[in-house]
Amino acid sequence: ETGVTQTPRHLVMGMTNKKSLKCEQHLGHNAMYWYKQSAKKPLELMFVYNFKEQTENNSVPSRFSPECPNSSHLFLHLHTLQPEDSALYLCASSQDRRGRSAPSEQYFGPGTRLTVT
Amino acid sequence: QKEVEQNSGPLSVPEGAIASLNCTYSDRVSQSFFWYRQYSGKSPELIMSIYSNGDKEDGRFTAQLNKASQYVSLLIRDSQPSDSATYLCAVTGGSQGNLIFGKGTKLSVKP
Repeated sequence: ETGVTQTPRHLVMGMTNKKSLKCEQHLGHNAMYWYKQSAKKPLELMFVYNFKEQTENNSVPSRFSPECPNSSHLFLHLHTLQPEDSALYLCASSQDRRGRSAPSEQYFGPGTRLTVT
Repeated sequence: QKEVEQNSGPLSVPEGAIASLNCTYSDRVSQSFFWYRQYSGKSPELIMSIYSNGDKEDGRFTAQLNKASQYVSLLIRDSQPSDSATYLCAVTGGSQGNLIFGKGTKLSVKP
């Protein structure tokens, strides 16, 4: 495997289900991100893990719960979602140094297309 | 609220022409600027990064940055139908310097 991988690629779930999205990066990076992409809206940053510590949580509802067990793996746990949560969920990674003034490039995985029924 | 603005398009150019994509941003202290290409149904792919004023060329792509005007652009020379995609501008912003994306400009290159 190379780059950033995500599973599953497609997911249909009911509002009462619990599911998890998985992301794995094979680039040796130390920062990972979850983004949400909805139609007609810009990419929205959800969570950032830098050096395995969560450094950003952009007021994401608690029905989304991230987990980063190590610098190569990132999960997004989903429960009691709403139909408006249907979107493309993208994982990205980058190599960042603490205190660096110019953040480096982020590389995206293929995404998980989530449909909440 | 930090913002990144792009014309949503669609921008239509004939094959072989130069496509010019523009982006403005609101955060004066932004330091890093990126262009991503996103084909329909796919994830964003990084095509250019630029950190200082001026031009940066990579093959048929040229990124231009003007921090004083808070403006970044992407030129695609000799446009090909395979360049047809949505182009996302991303700029660092906020206290953590995370990326803020524009809505993207849809480019269509006609044979």
